[in-house]
Amino acid sequence: EADIYQTPRYLVIGTGKKITLECSQTMGHDKMYWYQQDPGMELHLIHYSYGVNSTEKGDLSSESTVSRIRTEHFPLTLESARPSHTSQYLCASSAIRGDADTQYFGPGTRLTVL
Amino acid sequence: AQSVTQLGSHVSVSEGALVLLRCNYSSSVPPYLFWYVQYPNQGLQLLLKYTTGATLVKGINGFEAEFKKSETSFHLTKPSAHMSDAAEYFCAVSGSGANCKLTFGKGITLSVRP
Repeated sequence: EADIYQTPRYLVIGTGKKITLECSQTMGHDKMYWYQQDPGMELHLIHYSYGVNSTEKGDLSSESTVSRIRTEHFPLTLESARPSHTSQYLCASSAIRGDADTQYFGPGTRLTVL
Repeated sequence: AQSVTQLGSHVSVSEGALVLLRCNYSSSVPPYLFWYVQYPNQGLQLLLKYTTGATLVKGINGFEAEFKKSETSFHLTKPSAHMSDAAEYFCAVSGSGANCKLTFGKGITLSVRP
C-alpha cells in the first residue's frame, strides 16, 4: 500500500545531541516537504524538495538541514539539538502532475529536547 | 501572498448536531482550498478540496464545504456530528501553480459531547 512513513514517532533527547528524523514514501511522489507544528499554531513549512538533489528552505527559518539522495527518502537532521527545537515535525509528499495540488502527510515525529 | 483565518480555537457540539467550522482566506491569485483533519498523535488527512468547478465540494466522512468567492470563505459543515469526528481541523490555501505552497490556518479543535 502506498504510504508515507516517519521514524521515530517520539524522541526525547538531551541538548547538544545530533538527530536525524526519517521520512520515506512509497507514493512515487517527486515533491516532499517538512513542516513544524506547535500546539495552537499553524503548520510552518521549513524545507521542501522537488526531486533528487533538490532542497529548498521554507517560510520558517530552521536550523535543521535536509537531503534528497533518493526519491523516496527525505531525512531531516539537527546537528546540535536545543530545547527550542522541541516540536512536532510532519513530513509530506505530493505528485508533480495529476493530483499535484494535494499533499499527503506522514504521522509525524514528536521531538522533545531536554 | 496568501493567508488563512480560522476564528476560535475550539468548537463543541452535541452528538447529532450540525458541525460548522469557519475558514476565511486571502489570496492574490485564484485559490485552491483544502480542509485537513488531524486525529490525536496522527498526521494530517485530507477531508476535501476545492480547485475549480463546482463550488460545493463533498469529502470523506460526510463533510462538505462551499467556496464563496464574494465572502472569501470556505466553511466546513457536517449535518450530524459523530463522536468519531472529535479531532483538529485545519483549513489551507494554495495557488493554482504546480509549485505553489500550502498556507495553513491555526486549526480548530472539535469536541463532540454525548
